[in-house]
Amino acid sequence: DIQLTQSPSSLSSSVGDRVTITCRARQSISGYLNWYQQKPGKAPKLLIYAASNVQSGVPSRFSGSGSGTDFALTISSLQPEDVATYYCQQSYSVFWTFGQGTKVEI
Amino acid sequence: EVQLVQSGPEVKKPGESLKISCKGSGYKFTSYWIGWVRQMPGKGLEWMGIVYPGDSDTRYSPSLRGEVTISADKSLSTAYLHWSSLEASDSALYFCARGDWTDAGWGFFDNWGQGTLVTVSS
Repeated sequence: DIQLTQSPSSLSSSVGDRVTITCRARQSISGYLNWYQQKPGKAPKLLIYAASNVQSGVPSRFSGSGSGTDFALTISSLQPEDVATYYCQQSYSVFWTFGQGTKVEI
Repeated sequence: EVQLVQSGPEVKKPGESLKISCKGSGYKFTSYWIGWVRQMPGKGLEWMGIVYPGDSDTRYSPSLRGEVTISADKSLSTAYLHWSSLEASDSALYFCARGDWTDAGWGFFDNWGQGTLVTVSS
């Protein structure tokens, strides 16, 4: 399995703040990295695919960057509705894996 | 509109068998992979495996060690997750999700079911 490590595990910021979550892969995964948002009691939602492509319908304050082993999800201006847990996920390997999640609070 | 609708919550005893389902609609079911993701209580997401309904090609996470069987019935546009003998540690929320790929080969889950809660307790 390709292990993904997210940092931090949790964070608390204010409305309007810029928030960055990082995801590090144990080996190079090129750009095969996706980001999901999961709100309490709900199914995950795809935010970013292929490291930097914003899924249709996702607010423009969400962006992704990185390649190789180091990736980041940035929320440019944190909103109350962004309270959720965020997961990175790799599809480089036949066996996909998720990071452990980052809980974002306000 | 793409929809994945999962079967309802289950309460089972250890040793019992179980099959939960995920019905796809609003797209060509045989042209997209369906994956299963486990979320144990208070924990993160775990990729379990994936099936291609077009030809039933299936891949499993190495960590499952044959604990579950993933299948699909293309005539019913439905994918399944099956246990032959449940354990208490199988208690979790299970999601199905549609796997898509870009032309460049980037894969991701773009649509998700609502989740099926499985509780295994004596």
